[in-house]
Amino acid sequence: DAGITQSPRHKVTETGTPVTLRCHQTENHRYMYWYRQDPGHGLRLIHYSYGVKDTDKGEVSDGYSVSRSKTEDFLLTLESATSSQTSVYFCAISERTGREETQYFGPGTRLLVL
Amino acid sequence: GNSVTQMEGPVTLSEEAFLTINCTYTATGYPSLFWYVQYPGEGLQLLLKATKADDKGSNKGFEATYRKETTSFHLEKGSVQVSDSAVYFCALSSNTGKLIFGQGTTLQVKP
Repeated sequence: DAGITQSPRHKVTETGTPVTLRCHQTENHRYMYWYRQDPGHGLRLIHYSYGVKDTDKGEVSDGYSVSRSKTEDFLLTLESATSSQTSVYFCAISERTGREETQYFGPGTRLLVL
Repeated sequence: GNSVTQMEGPVTLSEEAFLTINCTYTATGYPSLFWYVQYPGEGLQLLLKATKADDKGSNKGFEATYRKETTSFHLEKGSVQVSDSAVYFCALSSNTGKLIFGQGTTLQVKP
């Protein structure tokens, strides 16, 4: 257990509405990530953060923005949700030991956009 | 670019059968390799990892060996149980620390 929680765990929303998902960690990890999981695609990186106010785009960042104002919280925002953003969203933290790095995942948020 | 390819699923086995899930990768440099497992309705859990060529990762009876010559990291278990039914993801970590995942392989073990 890497001390990662996600909220909400489930959400149903309508096309065009803004949605914010929250990832919270308790162990002061510097690196945090947002992924989406879709059938046939595995997990794909949306955005990541390497420190407070330091973020960068991943593979599938269009339509998403992120913010990290505190070490423990990493927010993912869908400015105007679309049906193609229906997915399961996972947050992860990175634990680094020397040159080795391992990512640990939160429980996920299931989002349905109608 | 970096990529991971897993065998197509679903894989259906009887309890106590031998399991192999194939994973091959394409990468520049020397990535670390991982297997994650996802049980129904849950997040991903790290199953095992290997950080350099010829390393063997192992956990809960599962094993995988980092084969640089064949760019492979196949997951094996000698005797599967019904409780091993899950989706298994192979992944590599690039030199930037980002994870690249395979598409996942569903394993169903029948009593």
